[in-house]
Amino acid sequence: KNQVEQSPQSLIILEGKNCTLQCNYTVSPFSNLRWYKQDTGRGPVSLTIMTFSENTKSNGRYTATLDADTKQSSLHITASQLSDSASYICVVNRTGGGNKLTFGTGTQLKVEL
Amino acid sequence: DAGITQSPRHKVTETGTPVTLRCHQTENHRYMYWYRQDPGHGLRLIHYSYGVKDTDKGEVSDGYSVSRSKTEDFLLTLESATSSQTSVYFCAISGDTYEQYFGPGTRLTVT
Repeated sequence: KNQVEQSPQSLIILEGKNCTLQCNYTVSPFSNLRWYKQDTGRGPVSLTIMTFSENTKSNGRYTATLDADTKQSSLHITASQLSDSASYICVVNRTGGGNKLTFGTGTQLKVEL
Repeated sequence: DAGITQSPRHKVTETGTPVTLRCHQTENHRYMYWYRQDPGHGLRLIHYSYGVKDTDKGEVSDGYSVSRSKTEDFLLTLESATSSQTSVYFCAISGDTYEQYFGPGTRLTVT
């Protein structure tokens, strides 16, 4: 069964600290992996997209890594800000699956003063 | 929200009544999608469209129908709403790059 598992489920960190969110997937055959940020009451917004051949991609203070062999990805947030408080969702697309995506349930991040 | 609007943004309805949610885009993208988001679940695809009058089912399509008569509009209809359809509904669009852009969501409560 095609699944995407994220950990931790929730996380609280102090402003200015770094954190890393994890994603494991069983989706096959793999096409690409995306990380989305979803603010409360808003739709998800794309942070990064990585294909099989990419193992790192950055977007400002967000850096995503991908290990297609172990089917793991991580999202590292550097120097966190209060505005980083959101749900971070890992999403995997299958080859030949059209654009039908498999979504993780998200990691709820709260950044505090 | 990438030129996507959803209406209404909030709706409360009674069990058994029909409900239609509207998604409107100004990006002229070919693909449009309807998802639902529930606690403990990732977003799940209800229906999608790959062109005007071309639609197909997603993983949770039972109880839902869709229509797309114009490129810019994608309608989701609950023929007879049930409490299990209480959810937040998101529309998404994509073009040839397959990047999906999401709308602001519609919170539907069925009492």
